[in-house]
Amino acid sequence: EPEVTQTPSHQVTQMGQEVILRCVPISNHLYFYWYRQILGQKVEFLVSFYNNEISEKSEIFDDQFSVERPDGSNFTLKIRSTKLEDSAMYFCASSVVLAGDEQYFGPGTRLTVT
Amino acid sequence: AQSVTQLGSHVSVSEGALVLLRCNYSSSVPPYLFWYVQYPNQGLQLLLKYTTGATLVKGINGFEAEFKKSETSFHLTKPSAHMSDAAEYFCAVSDLTGANSKLTFGKGITLSVRP
Repeated sequence: EPEVTQTPSHQVTQMGQEVILRCVPISNHLYFYWYRQILGQKVEFLVSFYNNEISEKSEIFDDQFSVERPDGSNFTLKIRSTKLEDSAMYFCASSVVLAGDEQYFGPGTRLTVT
Repeated sequence: AQSVTQLGSHVSVSEGALVLLRCNYSSSVPPYLFWYVQYPNQGLQLLLKYTTGATLVKGINGFEAEFKKSETSFHLTKPSAHMSDAAEYFCAVSDLTGANSKLTFGKGITLSVRP
């Protein structure tokens, strides 16, 4: 069964460093998302991406964040200068269509900023 | 703005007992409602969803949920718990007011099943 994959599973970085989290969505999906979950808190929407551009972003997704689909398979989330409060589990998701469709989630990348 | 409330953080039931996980939502437009399950070290997996039509929705692994507009609820039930149901459960809501159907999640509930 097709699945969303994410690498790495765990990333440790120092404050101020840049990190890139990678995702491979399901191949025929058109909509891509990043969510994050800070320990003990809700899963929060960060950004959605369609047709090679951002469709919607949350207040969390400030200038320190960027997303890219550099080729036909990868979808990346970059954090330019990490802060302690960026420590969280980051989930990538994808879906075929828009309204009411299931979003398929990857297993997540746990980012720890020290 | 949409929101989801899942009261409590942990529910414990005996194997074979009824599972009831509560979810209430707030939405200014007709919602799409979802329940996702997360097993340890895995991603979120869809259990079931409500978009339109029949308000009682059946999902995988014997779970079902009923959309009650008057109560703004979408509670998840399973008649008989199994040990393999132990996991974290998330209720989520989406709509079409944005450019994409982003999901707004509740805090999640951890379900434990006692032998």
